[in-house]
Amino acid sequence: KNQVEQSPQSLIILEGKNCTLQCNYTVSPFSNLRWYKQDTGRGPVSLTIMTFSENTKSNGRYTATLDADTKQSSLHITASQLSDSASYICVVTYTGGFKTIFGAGTRLFVKA
Amino acid sequence: DTEVTQTPKHLVMGMTNKKSLKCEQHMGHRAMYWYKQKAKKPPELMFVYSYEKLSINESVPSRFSPECPNSSLLNLHLHALQPEDSALYLCASSQDPSGSRTSTDTQYFGPGTRLTVL
Repeated sequence: KNQVEQSPQSLIILEGKNCTLQCNYTVSPFSNLRWYKQDTGRGPVSLTIMTFSENTKSNGRYTATLDADTKQSSLHITASQLSDSASYICVVTYTGGFKTIFGAGTRLFVKA
Repeated sequence: DTEVTQTPKHLVMGMTNKKSLKCEQHMGHRAMYWYKQKAKKPPELMFVYSYEKLSINESVPSRFSPECPNSSLLNLHLHALQPEDSALYLCASSQDPSGSRTSTDTQYFGPGTRLTVL
């Protein structure tokens, strides 16, 4: 069964600290993996996208990694800011179609 | 212009009303999507249009009727909705819907329409 699982479900960190979010997937055949940031009541915003041949991608303070062999990805946030408080969603796309599997998301709270 | 716009931002309607949600993009994308998102849940795919033709309908009830008048516009017509249809409705678009193994096609999402059905 195609699934995307994210952990932790929620996370509270202090401003300025780093954190890492996890995404494990069993989707096959794999096309790409994306990380999105979604503020409450708003549309998701793309942070990174990686195909099977890429193992790391950075976007400012966000760095995503991908291990296509173990089907694991992580999103590392450096020097967190209050504005990083949001849901972070891992999305995996099937090869050959429009089908995407959304993870349930990790709700990140950054406290002053 | 890397923006997907949606109107209205908020919509309140009764179960007997007919209303429409609108989505627009000017990025030249050839695939457009409708998603439904309930609170604290990930978005659920409803419809996909590719090159202005309906490609995927995820068994959505007929009270939701999509329409793609041209490559830049996507509508969602609503009729006889139920209170449980209240949700955030998201529109997205992407450039390359081929889904190949090397595809870096990214879906760009609009801000959503918050729908409340009374």
